[in-house]
Amino acid sequence: DGGITQSPKYLFRKEGQNVTLSCEQNLNHDAMYWYRQDPGQGLRLIYYSQIVNDFQKGDIAEGYSVSREKKESFPLTVTSAQKNPTAFYLCASSVTGNTEAFFGQGTRLTVV
Amino acid sequence: QKEVEQDPGPLSVPEGAIVSLNCTYSNSAFQYFMWYRQYSRKGPELLMYTYSSGNKEDGRFTAQVDKSSKYISLFIRDSQPSDSATYLCAMTNTGNQFYFGTGTSLTVIP
Repeated sequence: DGGITQSPKYLFRKEGQNVTLSCEQNLNHDAMYWYRQDPGQGLRLIYYSQIVNDFQKGDIAEGYSVSREKKESFPLTVTSAQKNPTAFYLCASSVTGNTEAFFGQGTRLTVV
Repeated sequence: QKEVEQDPGPLSVPEGAIVSLNCTYSNSAFQYFMWYRQYSRKGPELLMYTYSSGNKEDGRFTAQVDKSSKYISLFIRDSQPSDSATYLCAMTNTGNQFYFGTGTSLTVIP
C-alpha cells in the first residue's frame, strides 16, 4: 500500500533534549511538508521541501531543523531551542504541480 | 486578516441531516481547493479536491467553489455518526504551500 508513515506515534522529550520525528513516503511524491497542529490554531507550516537536498522554512521554523537526503524521507528534528514543543506534528506529501496533499497519521510530542 | 477563515463550530446535527461546512478566503490566486476529515488524534484524510469554480460530487459529499465570492462549501447528505470529526478546508495556487482553515468540529447525533 502506498502512503506516508510517521513514527513514533507518541514521543516524550525531556527539557534540553533534541528529538527526531521520522516521515517516510512511498508515493513517489517530490514535495514533502511538516506541520504543527495546536488546538484552535489549525495547521502551521514548519518546513517544506520540493526536491532532494533542498528545503525552505515555513511560518514557524525557529527551533526546528530538517534534512532531505532521499526523496522518500523528510525527518524533522525538534531542538532544545524550541521553547514550546508539545504539539501534534503532521507530515504530508504531494506531487509537485498536482496539488492534493496527503498526510501521515501524526506524532504526538510531549515535553516531560 | 487570515488567508483562510473557517468557523470552528462546534456543529451538532441529528443523524440524517444535511450538513453545510464553509470557508472564505482572501487570496484570489487560489485555484485548488481541498476538504479534509480529521478524526481525533489522527492525520487529516483527503475527502474532496476541486480545481477552480464549480461543483464536485462524491457519494454523500459535494464540494462547491465560488471564486467570485471567495467562498467554498462542503455538503454532507444523510449524515452519519461516523461523519463526526473535524473538517479542514485547504487551498493553494501552486502546490508549494497550502493554506488551511482552523477546522470545524462536527458531531452527528444518532
